[in-house]
Amino acid sequence: EAGVTQSPRYAVLQEGQAVSFWCDPISGHDTLYWYQQPRDQGPQLLVYFRDEAVIDNSQLPSDRFSAVRPKGTNSTLKIQSAKQGDTATYLCASSLGTGGYEQYFGPGTRLTVL
Amino acid sequence: GNSVTQMQGQVTLSEEEFLFINCTYSTTGYPTLFWYVQYPGEGPQLLLKVTTANNKGSSRGFEATYDKGTTSFHLQKASVQESDSAVYYCVLGDTNKVVFGTGTRLQVLP
Repeated sequence: EAGVTQSPRYAVLQEGQAVSFWCDPISGHDTLYWYQQPRDQGPQLLVYFRDEAVIDNSQLPSDRFSAVRPKGTNSTLKIQSAKQGDTATYLCASSLGTGGYEQYFGPGTRLTVL
Repeated sequence: GNSVTQMQGQVTLSEEEFLFINCTYSTTGYPTLFWYVQYPGEGPQLLLKVTTANNKGSSRGFEATYDKGTTSFHLQKASVQESDSAVYYCVLGDTNKVVFGTGTRLQVLP
């Protein structure tokens, strides 16, 4: 069984540029999470979906960040105008449900904003 | 709201020493408690899961237990190896919320 895949693995931008991250979850997993992990910190939830619906995006900076999962499978996280403070690893995870279910993480996309 | 507190930011041990990492949590629901481990360049992966029903879990020589009375749960291993060097996160899962602790970086010296 294939795990969670993410692309690209690395991205380097100048401030003000846009970037998109793509995630392919494990087949059959209805729940998909996006986390931001700054260097030497724990993962911080940005948004999560159940199928195509956003369940919680309260921690997503809505002025510059957006996330979609149109068919309830793959997902895209986009930063419209990147800032140096966005430098972090962006992790995608999927699971069979919320709360008490194990999350399976992808390898992450390491973003550097200069 | 739900929260977890992981006080030990860094732990350094020699091989074959005993490991103990503690977390405290706060929730109004019936949580599932997890320990995830993260190696450099990888995403976190599940190490152990403990529910309010079973109180205890074990995997790969690690053991996790939780105490509802003190709202704490801990991770222990009798004899660590250099390959156990990684970051360990306690995680609280409750209905629609998942909260990660700040992580404990374990360094095991040969």
